[in-house]
Amino acid sequence: AQSVSQHNHHVILSEAASLELGCNYSYGGTVNLFWYVQYPGQHLQLLLKYFSGDPLVKGIKGFEAEFIKSKFSFNLRKPSVQWSDTAEYFCAVIGTGGFKTIFGAGTRLFVKA
Amino acid sequence: ETGVTQSPTHLIKTRGQQVTLRCSSQSGHNTVSWYQQALGQGPQFIFQYYREEENGRGNFPPRFSGLQFPNYSSELNVNALELDDSALYLCASSFDRGQESPLHFGNGTRLTVT
Repeated sequence: AQSVSQHNHHVILSEAASLELGCNYSYGGTVNLFWYVQYPGQHLQLLLKYFSGDPLVKGIKGFEAEFIKSKFSFNLRKPSVQWSDTAEYFCAVIGTGGFKTIFGAGTRLFVKA
Repeated sequence: ETGVTQSPTHLIKTRGQQVTLRCSSQSGHNTVSWYQQALGQGPQFIFQYYREEENGRGNFPPRFSGLQFPNYSSELNVNALELDDSALYLCASSFDRGQESPLHFGNGTRLTVT
């Protein structure tokens, strides 16, 4: 079955700390990968996406993610987090030719000022 | 550009009743997907509409149904409400139905079934 697993449900960091959120997916084919973010009181919005090409993709606000095909992973990273990065982060996958985007359970990140 | 708007924002219904949730897609988008998000979980795909036709469906029973209108707005209807239907319902529009069209979400409708 197609699924997305996010390793941490809650993460607490101090400002300037480095961030890495894990994401693994299960899908029997070529995929497109996304990270979505939901800031407090706001709607879900796209943070970054991977379709093909360079497996290291850069998104908004200094975030990046690396696609490792052999590990079925798409981890999200940021070298130095800010208080404003406090949000819930969702990893998502859709298969080539598919219509259904599958989401992980989300990781709540709290950044202490 | 106008984003995705959903109405109502909150709704309380009784078990066995029916409910209709509404969504206006972002300007220029022809595809609408509906998701159910239970507390502490990620969004679960209900179905997708593309140019007024159902384009795909997730593992939800037939009492979950939908419509898409010529202006690409959409409705989600749920009949015979059950307690487990209590959740946040998210509408997302996209430029196209393909896998390379990211989803643009509304703020959701919080449905409580008592």
